[in-house]
Amino acid sequence: AQKVTQAQTEISVVEKEDVTLDCVYETRDTTYYLFWYKQPPSGELVFLIRRNSFDEQNEISGRYSWNFQKSTSSFNFTITASQVVDSAVYFCALRRYNDYKLSFGAGTTVTVRA
Amino acid sequence: DTGVSQDPRHKITKRGQNVTFRCDPISEHNRLYWYRQTLGQGPEFLTYFQNEAQLEKSRLLSDRFSAERPKGSFSTLEIQRTEQGDSAMYLCASSSLWTAEADTQYFGPGTRLTVL
Repeated sequence: AQKVTQAQTEISVVEKEDVTLDCVYETRDTTYYLFWYKQPPSGELVFLIRRNSFDEQNEISGRYSWNFQKSTSSFNFTITASQVVDSAVYFCALRRYNDYKLSFGAGTTVTVRA
Repeated sequence: DTGVSQDPRHKITKRGQNVTFRCDPISEHNRLYWYRQTLGQGPEFLTYFQNEAQLEKSRLLSDRFSAERPKGSFSTLEIQRTEQGDSAMYLCASSSLWTAEADTQYFGPGTRLTVL
């Protein structure tokens, strides 16, 4: 069975601070996909990144960066120089290679104060 | 490109009534998914369509729930004899196997159901 754990329920920071969101996953599969989604107060889940299990290269995209470590089953997400617009719930998700459904973590609520 | 759209955005109903939600996926996306999200939780998978065929249903989808995608385009999710426990956000997503981001799911804004 797949399981995604986001141990941080809520994080509150002041604008311009960096924020790192933890995601730990469990799967017996050797091939799988990991995702991060953002859910602002409007409710729509916004796709941020997808990472394949065979690609451990970390990535930076603007103020966002991701750290994928297969050895520790972690896929962490960092927002650099946070802004108020980053306030949202962030979800980590896992999908098996031959499956369709996403298994989501419980989410981490990020609040960025001006 | 138009994103996934859902209608209505909000629905308030009385216990025992039937409700129907609609989802319009991104055009040319052949895969469509329904998820349910309760307060403070991540979305949970309900069902999945590839074109018009419903290929998987979660155990969460009781007999009161039915989903269709008659022409392989839009989909409807119907809940019969609603219960207070059905109150949740119902999210629709679509994906395409034939794009560079193979099979990444893109979500709509959701339908928030409140059962009184």
